Amino acid sequence: GAVVSQHPSRVICKSGTSVKIECRSLDFQATTMFWYRQFPKQSLMLMATSNEGSKATYEQGVEKDKFLINHASLTLSTLTVTSAHPEDSSFYICSAPAIGTDTQYFGPGTRLTVL
Amino acid sequence: GQQLNQSPQSMFIQEGEDVSMNCTSSSIFNTWLWYKQDPGEGPVLLIALYKAGELTSNGRLTAQFGITRKDSFLNISASIPSDVGIYFCAGVNAGGTSYGKLTFGQGTILTVHP
Repeated sequence: GAVVSQHPSRVICKSGTSVKIECRSLDFQATTMFWYRQFPKQSLMLMATSNEGSKATYEQGVEKDKFLINHASLTLSTLTVTSAHPEDSSFYICSAPAIGTDTQYFGPGTRLTVL
Repeated sequence: GQQLNQSPQSMFIQEGEDVSMNCTSSSIFNTWLWYKQDPGEGPVLLIALYKAGELTSNGRLTAQFGITRKDSFLNISASIPSDVGIYFCAGVNAGGTSYGKLTFGQGTILTVHP
């Protein structure tokens, strides 16, 4: 089946620093990837759509200058949380549909803790 | 944003029992997906449904795509302890600016007692 990886799985950083999270589709290509944020015992909240070769599109209320997205290739998207603050602590998950399908496969998630 | 109405919110069952959960929507979706999420992990795809009326099985799991394309259910037969987790339904938006995006249900927390 389709496999999506994320790195790192966990990261702890100091307030004010930036953190980069990678999302890779391992056995398929994806022109689009999606980034989500999830709070405990809640559903996933879509943050932005990452588009290969063009700018990401952000959901309402998501700061594009704070959550920088780069879709560098057909198998890699990165999310950079800039100037992180404790309220940015969360579980970040990416997903990708294989080209030509709309079935999305999720990465294992990244737990971000900002001290 | 928009959410699917998923029920029940939680279930506490004995091992061996069957489980049923469902999702309804006011909007039509062309694809329905069911996921299971374990604590600290990303959602794992269980079943994908592409046609209205479609009934699909995956081992002890069975899911159906409602004929109106506005609802879906997931059944788990003969539950086992490893079925514990949160189950999410998701509809794939078919058009407009939301094309390809998922709309999620609130999740069903399943607890199985041995």
